[in-house]
Amino acid sequence: DGGITQSPKYLFRKEGQNVTLSCEQNLNHDAMYWYRQDPGQGLRLIYYSQIVNDFQKGDIAEGYSVSREKKESFPLTVTSAQKNPTAFYLCASSVTGGGNQPQHFGDGTRLSIL
Amino acid sequence: SQQGEEDPQALSIQEGENATMNCSYKTSINNLQWYRQNSGRGLVHLILIRSNEREKHSGRLRVTLDTSKKSSSLLITASRAADTASYFCATAAQGAQKLVFGQGTRLTINP
Repeated sequence: DGGITQSPKYLFRKEGQNVTLSCEQNLNHDAMYWYRQDPGQGLRLIYYSQIVNDFQKGDIAEGYSVSREKKESFPLTVTSAQKNPTAFYLCASSVTGGGNQPQHFGDGTRLSIL
Repeated sequence: SQQGEEDPQALSIQEGENATMNCSYKTSINNLQWYRQNSGRGLVHLILIRSNEREKHSGRLRVTLDTSKKSSSLLITASRAADTASYFCATAAQGAQKLVFGQGTRLTINP
């Protein structure tokens, strides 16, 4: 079955630590996205990538970094510069970028501070 | 920002009743999409309606789009307990490279 796999499901971060969230897709989609969701809120875009080896900042990129070395993979690093990282992180993909295609989502990673 | 805003924020109805959620946005769009999110899960795409369309159906779902009022509605007919979830609209502005999501409507279906 094609889909998006996010891991781990739960992640805890210590002060001053960088953590990396994994996102893998086998849908052969060109575009991938990272969103942050706070309790009772909608999704805010962190980073997106429309093609391998290229990515753009979203609305709340500060304190986060990404890479897109392979079409299937779009890992997100939450750095120590992100002072309020506790949230639900969602990865998504679409056939192409540009907002004109449905997005397929993984089941998220819940990040908490220790 | 041309973020969609859903109304109401929360809706509780009896099983079998119809549920209507509304979404308003601020600028011209290419399309508007509706998604469902079950608690603790990712979003699931429901329907995409393009700016030149007025209505779309998918099973028990009916979506309307009024570009003159910059609004859309999602109707779920004959609701079931399994429809309990949060529903989000997302808009793609003309020329934009991304979707912008609203805050969502939390729908509860009571048995």
